[in-house]
Amino acid sequence: AQSVTQLGSHVSVSEGALVLLRCNYSSSVPPYLFWYVQYPNQGLQLLLKYTSAATLVKGINGFEAEFKKSETSFHLTKPSAHMSDAAEYFCAVSPNFGNEKLTFGTGTRLTIIP
Amino acid sequence: EPEVTQTPSHQVTQMGQEVILRCVPISNHLYFYWYRQILGQKVEFLVSFYNNEISEKSEIFDDQFSVERPDGSNFTLKIRSTKLEDSAMYFCASRPSRNGGHEQYFGPGTRLTVT
Repeated sequence: AQSVTQLGSHVSVSEGALVLLRCNYSSSVPPYLFWYVQYPNQGLQLLLKYTSAATLVKGINGFEAEFKKSETSFHLTKPSAHMSDAAEYFCAVSPNFGNEKLTFGTGTRLTIIP
Repeated sequence: EPEVTQTPSHQVTQMGQEVILRCVPISNHLYFYWYRQILGQKVEFLVSFYNNEISEKSEIFDDQFSVERPDGSNFTLKIRSTKLEDSAMYFCASRPSRNGGHEQYFGPGTRLTVT
């Protein structure tokens, strides 16, 4: 069984400040991990993924995340927030075999303060 | 760039009616999925489909739900007799073979409103 916990349903940061969105996972098998972003009234867009290669992964729009097995974490960061980063962010986990269905966290709504 | 498409974007139906949600996955993908997101809640897995059969389904995916890939391009989700609680955004997703990558590509969703 797999699960994802996203701490903080709402996060506000000032434009230009560091963005840190937290994700912890639970998995009985080696996982694949993903961050997706959802803009208002749109679908889910992949930001980045961890699939057992490098533990520090870089994604689109300047985001990156680090897989830390010892902490069962996959936190998302961006050094400098931009107004266009305002959106809902979902962390997701899948097993590394079979149909690789995704289990999502509850999401974090990121607000950027001008 | 190839993308997953879904139609309609919004469907309003009365309780007890049948609805069919349509998806066109990316053409060379082999794994297909439906997820749903009730307003304000997280995205939930419904069903996965591979090699023309269901490979896994969640407890949400009861006898009222069915999926089909009728013609090699479309992938449909049918709800036979809709309930109020079926109101949600339904997302289709597809994924290449295991050697082609592990990320799922999502469509824009169909918002289903049951009245």
